[in-house]
Amino acid sequence: RKEVEQDPGPFNVPEGATVAFNCTYSNSASQSFFWYRQDCRKEPKLLMSVYSSGNEDGRFTAQLNRASQYISLLIRDSKLSDSATYLCVVNPTGTASKLTFGTGTRLQVTL
Amino acid sequence: DAEITQSPRHKITETGRQVTLACHQTWNHNNMFWYRQDLGHGLRLIHYSYGVQDTNKGEVSDGYSVSRSNTEDLPLTLESAASSQTSVYFCASSGTKQETQYFGPGTRLLVL
Repeated sequence: RKEVEQDPGPFNVPEGATVAFNCTYSNSASQSFFWYRQDCRKEPKLLMSVYSSGNEDGRFTAQLNRASQYISLLIRDSKLSDSATYLCVVNPTGTASKLTFGTGTRLQVTL
Repeated sequence: DAEITQSPRHKITETGRQVTLACHQTWNHNNMFWYRQDLGHGLRLIHYSYGVQDTNKGEVSDGYSVSRSNTEDLPLTLESAASSQTSVYFCASSGTKQETQYFGPGTRLLVL
């Protein structure tokens, strides 16, 4: 079983739609969780951290369910510029060290 | 502005040649990382360093080496390039107690 699993997609949604991605992780002791965004042929960039209580940043909401070991990302009112690959990232140890990356979920927002 | 750069951005080489990919950051970060990214795989850690003279193997370190002689640079060397090392390579850095990693623009390597 992969340490971090994501549905690769692609998710094709119209502008204005709401879309949600899920990610599961295998290490129940994992400490920290993140969503990174990666545009085509570009480097990954941090989108948001995921906190136990859930957190929101504008149109983006991240949730963590430790009991079921999954993380979600909800994007409301999708924009064309949201088209990218979203990487689920887990820090197993909680130290400022190694991160484990999922393979990513590709989102394509269309007119 | 502080940044992280990689060079070259694209490289074509032949099997058996030694190749070195450069990574340079101006954030004064202690932690630096090298990843490779291939279709069907997430970013996989090759080597990492927590400071000058410190280097550690990641999950896919065979055939690669790094050295850390200063804070700013972590060059990645492919000792004898193989076609299986054709990939996109990303360097990243983070502060000492910081989990967020900042990535360079990547190097696309083709081994023929």
